[in-house]
Amino acid sequence: DQQVKQNSPSLSVQEGRISILNCDYTNSMFDYFLWYKKYPAEGPTFLISISSIKDKNEDGRFTVFLNKSAKHLSLHIVPSQPGDSAVYFCAASLDGNKLVFGAGTILRVKS
Amino acid sequence: EAGVTQFPSHSVIEKGQTVTLRCDPISGHDNLYWYRRVMGKEIKFLLHFVKESKQDESGMPNNRFLAERTGGTYSTLKVQPAELEDSGVYFCASSQFRDSHTDTQYFGPGTRLTVL
Repeated sequence: DQQVKQNSPSLSVQEGRISILNCDYTNSMFDYFLWYKKYPAEGPTFLISISSIKDKNEDGRFTVFLNKSAKHLSLHIVPSQPGDSAVYFCAASLDGNKLVFGAGTILRVKS
Repeated sequence: EAGVTQFPSHSVIEKGQTVTLRCDPISGHDNLYWYRRVMGKEIKFLLHFVKESKQDESGMPNNRFLAERTGGTYSTLKVQPAELEDSGVYFCASSQFRDSHTDTQYFGPGTRLTVL
């Protein structure tokens, strides 16, 4: 059973516009959520995180929103840049250690 | 500061052979994790070391997989004998603190294993 789902395999956005990546989870015990970014032939790189006691966390162009009642989180990138083109993984944790990942969304930012 | 390193970057072996993957975590990081991504799917947890002790090995697929972290520094993941379904990218990650939810896991570049 896949506890973290990213239902959009890919997303294409024009440079300068907003990118919205979505993630759904099923385990209500998850208390920490993260987004990782991955370039080809590299490992995932931490981008931003949010605790379950918050509903929003912002870091520069990146904002993560958490809707606990809907078990849904999203990553907003504004404005999108060509260098943001990568695979984005949503991940969740309930014990502070093991991360449960989604399958990833490929973001393409067109210039 | 050097990041997490993994060796080799690629490995191609025949079914039934043995392969050993190595991970060197960031210096001073007590936590070391192994994950695997198969065929473009989700990245799945394999196991977690705290120093030299296995904290959680619930994600290990079967007893053909053996992970060690002697001395609490680098770790090895041995697959013996390898099967076709073991193909994938094996990632190692490390983090510093033991009991912090906000402790970031830093990932290595991965080892791409292909079993023919």
